[in-house]
Amino acid sequence: ETGVTQTPRHLVMGMTNKKSLKCEQHLGHNAMYWYKQSAKKPLELMFVYNFKEQTENNSVPSRFSPECPNSSHLFLHLHTLQPEDSALYLCASSPSLKTGFQPQHFGDGTRLSIL
Amino acid sequence: KQEVTQIPAALSVPEGENLVLNCSFTDSAIYNLQWFRQDPGKGLTSLLLIQSSQREQTSGRLNASLDKSSGRSTLYIAASQPGDSATYLCAVPLAYNTDKLIFGTGTRLQVFP
Repeated sequence: ETGVTQTPRHLVMGMTNKKSLKCEQHLGHNAMYWYKQSAKKPLELMFVYNFKEQTENNSVPSRFSPECPNSSHLFLHLHTLQPEDSALYLCASSPSLKTGFQPQHFGDGTRLSIL
Repeated sequence: KQEVTQIPAALSVPEGENLVLNCSFTDSAIYNLQWFRQDPGKGLTSLLLIQSSQREQTSGRLNASLDKSSGRSTLYIAASQPGDSATYLCAVPLAYNTDKLIFGTGTRLQVFP
């Protein structure tokens, strides 16, 4: 049990579909992150939220839309995705953005496949 | 711009061997470095976090060292076991005093009986 839960674990969608990824943490953390992990590439930071406020958008295309309604929940809304968006999407949390002393806790990810 | 490199990309060893995984980073102005483990189809599990003021951290059979001046960290695994088979990732903060991380591409380790 990682403390960070992601749903769904697997998602197959067409390029014209709209879907959402969900992340929930029960660790009392205030910072949450979305990462993208593609084959043979390093994890890429996508978005960062700290106390529900977005503090980082790492040049992510607008077809990815994050939402953080509270410190425990993070969503990634998807629409009109491209085949190159197929990847493992990982959510993580940490106590806050500038602790420097606590590691990030990761969920098991959502494996996304775009047809 | 911070870049993180890990070598080797893959490693296959018999059970019982002592291993060294390498991580290098281009900007030495970091305030911590983390080592993670990732099992297939799973998320990342934090193994060790070394503060910039520390030289090494130990947890069980794992020992991580940090040499900021040379931009290097090593993860030493003693007496490897098949259960150690996974991908090992190192990561450093994007900038000083932030938890936004830059990851290496990882070392895929296989330990066979």
